[in-house]
Amino acid sequence: DQQVKQNSPSLSVQEGRISILNCDYTNSMFDYFLWYKKYPAEGPTFLISISSIKDKNEDGRFTVFLNKSAKHLSLHIVPSQPGDSAVYFCAASVTGTASKLTFGTGTRLQVTL
Amino acid sequence: DTAVSQTPKYLVTQMGNDKSIKCEQNLGHDTMYWYKQDSKKFLKIMFSYNNKELIINETVPNRFSPKSPDKAHLNLHINSLELGDSAVYFCASSQDPGRPETQYFGPGTRLLVL
Repeated sequence: DQQVKQNSPSLSVQEGRISILNCDYTNSMFDYFLWYKKYPAEGPTFLISISSIKDKNEDGRFTVFLNKSAKHLSLHIVPSQPGDSAVYFCAASVTGTASKLTFGTGTRLQVTL
Repeated sequence: DTAVSQTPKYLVTQMGNDKSIKCEQNLGHDTMYWYKQDSKKFLKIMFSYNNKELIINETVPNRFSPKSPDKAHLNLHINSLELGDSAVYFCASSQDPGRPETQYFGPGTRLLVL
């Protein structure tokens, strides 16, 4: 049962443009959402998070939007840079579950020159 | 200076063998985790230890046994390896089990069972 879904396995964006990565979830108990970035041969690295009490969180070029009614979140990267090329994982957790993260399958972002 | 390290990076072995993957963190964290990323790219938690005590134990076969000799180490022992165990195994540690954003991941161990 895949509770967190990233339906786009890959995305290609030109440098300087906006990258939008999407994530859907099915478990309404999830109340904390995270995005991780992963380079080849490395582990995932935390990027940005959002609590279910918010609908937007911004950190520099990265903004995460949460639509609870649609059970959907998205990560916007503006402007996209070549160094952003990586696999991005969406993850979700339920507060009080000792940080048990449920991950999506990832979206590979390629930022082209 | 690597924060979360795993050894080995690659492990190729035959079905039926017993193998171990080691994980060490030098961040002073109290909580450590093991995740498995299978061929379909699903990254799933297997175990979590806090101060050497098991706090998360997902539905993992008994052939998998985590061992935490101290707070800085969480090793994963796998007995009677099967083809389906082929995956990338990630270790992680965190400062606070209540704050998932504090999880730091190791580089992963790619296990191939032949």
